[in-house]
Amino acid sequence: DAGVIQSPRHEVTEMGQEVTLRCKPISGHNSLFWYRQTMMRGLELLIYFNNNVPIDDSGMPEDRFSAKMPNASFSTLKIQPSEPRDSAVYFCASRRDMNTEAFFGQGTRLTVV
Amino acid sequence: AQSVTQLGSHVSVSEGALVLLRCNYSSSVPPYLFWYVQYPNQGLQLLLKYTTGATLVKGINGFEAEFKKSETSFHLTKPSAHMSDAAEYFCAVSGNRDDKIIFGKGTRLHILP
Repeated sequence: DAGVIQSPRHEVTEMGQEVTLRCKPISGHNSLFWYRQTMMRGLELLIYFNNNVPIDDSGMPEDRFSAKMPNASFSTLKIQPSEPRDSAVYFCASRRDMNTEAFFGQGTRLTVV
Repeated sequence: AQSVTQLGSHVSVSEGALVLLRCNYSSSVPPYLFWYVQYPNQGLQLLLKYTTGATLVKGINGFEAEFKKSETSFHLTKPSAHMSDAAEYFCAVSGNRDDKIIFGKGTRLHILP
């Protein structure tokens, strides 16, 4: 398996623009997670899905953030409109079930100028 | 609810010396515990995990950790540090009732020649 695949690896955008981050989880994994990593806050869980259904989105910082999982092999995290404080590395991870580890993608480094 | 506390955001050890990275957790249900490592500009990689059974867990690259329920700890150790161990290390916890994985803020390990 190719692992968790995220795109793009790097994104530079202007404040106010819409940004869409993409993730393909490992086939057969039932749960998908979106995390944000910054120096100040560390690794924060934004939202996670189980069997394509959002279970907990309490970590989503604002209404500007939204996430979807239309099928078992694809998820998006959208920021609209983007702000400079959204600059961070965003990671997607997937997990087969509760007593297994999560596998991480390489991350998307987002810079909002 | 679960939480993780990692003592020390930076730890420095000499090459060949013992590595000890501390992790304490809080969980209202029996925990599953993980240690991950992150090298620069990469995603997180699993070092080791505890789910059930033996409380001393061995992982990759010579690392091991011991689950101590009475102390709510899961400290990571390695007998002899190598220069290639320089990275950031994350402790994480999840429960046996949902898929959420919560990470500590990480400890950056520096290896001194």
